[in-house]
Amino acid sequence: GENVEQHPSTLSVQEGDSAVIKCTYSDSASNYFPWYKQELGKRPQLIIDIRSNVGEKKDQRIAVTLNKTAKHFSLHITETQPEDSAVYFCAASKGGGGNKLTFGTGTQLKVEL
Amino acid sequence: GAVVSQHPSRVICKSGTSVKIECRSLDFQATTMFWYRQFPKQSLMLMATSNEGSKATYEQGVEKDKFLINHASLTLSTLTVTSAHPEDSSFYICSAYGGGNTGELFFGEGSRLTVL
Repeated sequence: GENVEQHPSTLSVQEGDSAVIKCTYSDSASNYFPWYKQELGKRPQLIIDIRSNVGEKKDQRIAVTLNKTAKHFSLHITETQPEDSAVYFCAASKGGGGNKLTFGTGTQLKVEL
Repeated sequence: GAVVSQHPSRVICKSGTSVKIECRSLDFQATTMFWYRQFPKQSLMLMATSNEGSKATYEQGVEKDKFLINHASLTLSTLTVTSAHPEDSSFYICSAYGGGNTGELFFGEGSRLTVL
């Protein structure tokens, strides 16, 4: 089955700096890669996603890049703000309505003033 | 986006009792729902895939007789933790695809189970 690895497990940045979180996946058939933000005790919230036919996607301060050959994808957050502090999870699936999502191990991001 | 509602949000029970958690898709039909479990400071681990009108598919290591899943309608899936023990205390989250073939998964609010 799919295996998703995520690094780093914790990340501390100064407000205004950029944060980068990296993930690798094992199943070359995976073609959908979402990123979730989860605050303590809350449900995961989708912040951005990318499909394997695209190499990069950007939404305001958030961007995701995908290297299908190397089977890795990354989340980039620019101009970080304290409210960006949360746990971030990457995930991978084969897409479509019946395919399960496999999550990475999570990154605790802390944005310090 | 699609809305997935989960109930109860918190439940405390005594060891040996059973607890039922409901997951509803409020504005769409979900033929497939997924149940995840999340221990403190850990990732979401898939427990089982719930299929409407058929038996659930359990992940390796998840006891199907302990975690009963029923997906009797296109908008409701239930997870029953039978004979709960303290080690079953966790955050249980259901999810469903919001229709179409977008691949986006929508999550319920989660249910915090504490077994005393």
